Amino acid sequence: DIQMTPSPSFLSASVGDRVTFNCKTSQNINKYLNWYQQKLGEAPKLLIYNTNNLQTGIPSRFSGSGSGTDYTLTISSLQPEDVATYFCLQHYSRPNTFGAGTKLELK
Amino acid sequence: EVQLVESGGGLVQPGGSLKLSCVASGFTFRDYWMNWVRQAPGKTMEWIGDIKPDGSNTNYAPSVKNRFTISRDNARSILYLQMSNLRSDYTATYYCVRASYFDYWGQGVMVTVSS
Repeated sequence: DIQMTPSPSFLSASVGDRVTFNCKTSQNINKYLNWYQQKLGEAPKLLIYNTNNLQTGIPSRFSGSGSGTDYTLTISSLQPEDVATYFCLQHYSRPNTFGAGTKLELK
Repeated sequence: EVQLVESGGGLVQPGGSLKLSCVASGFTFRDYWMNWVRQAPGKTMEWIGDIKPDGSNTNYAPSVKNRFTISRDNARSILYLQMSNLRSDYTATYYCVRASYFDYWGQGVMVTVSS
């Protein structure tokens, strides 16, 4: 199974800050990496698919990058509504595996 | 608008069985692979398995193989998860997810396995 190692596990930032989340995989996943946002009591929302493709309707302050085994989600200017848990998913090979969530809070 | 609505969750005793349903709308259900994913309280999401558009092929995570069966009714746009011989560590919120690239998720349904 492909192991996912996200970082950090917790993030505290201020409105307007640039925020980054990382996900390291145990083997090359050829950019089959998605990022999700999940708010309490809600279904996960797809933000970025296949490393750097912005899902329809997602604000352009979200972006993704990476290759091989290292992937990054960036929020260019943090907004209050971005407070949530963020997690990654590799769908390169079964069993598809998820990273543990990173909880983002406002300072 | 794509919608996935799960149902069928609840409290079940260890060793018992439960069948979850997911009604899909807003897209051509029969054209898509579909997944089930679960999240135990305080734990990371876990992929359970998936099913081919015509239902002819399924894949499962090792942790649930031989206990869970995924099926579908394309005429009614419904995805199913039959769970048997349930264990307490199967307590989780279960989600159905469209497998285009795991783009749309249902709200989830809670399953509690406890005596």
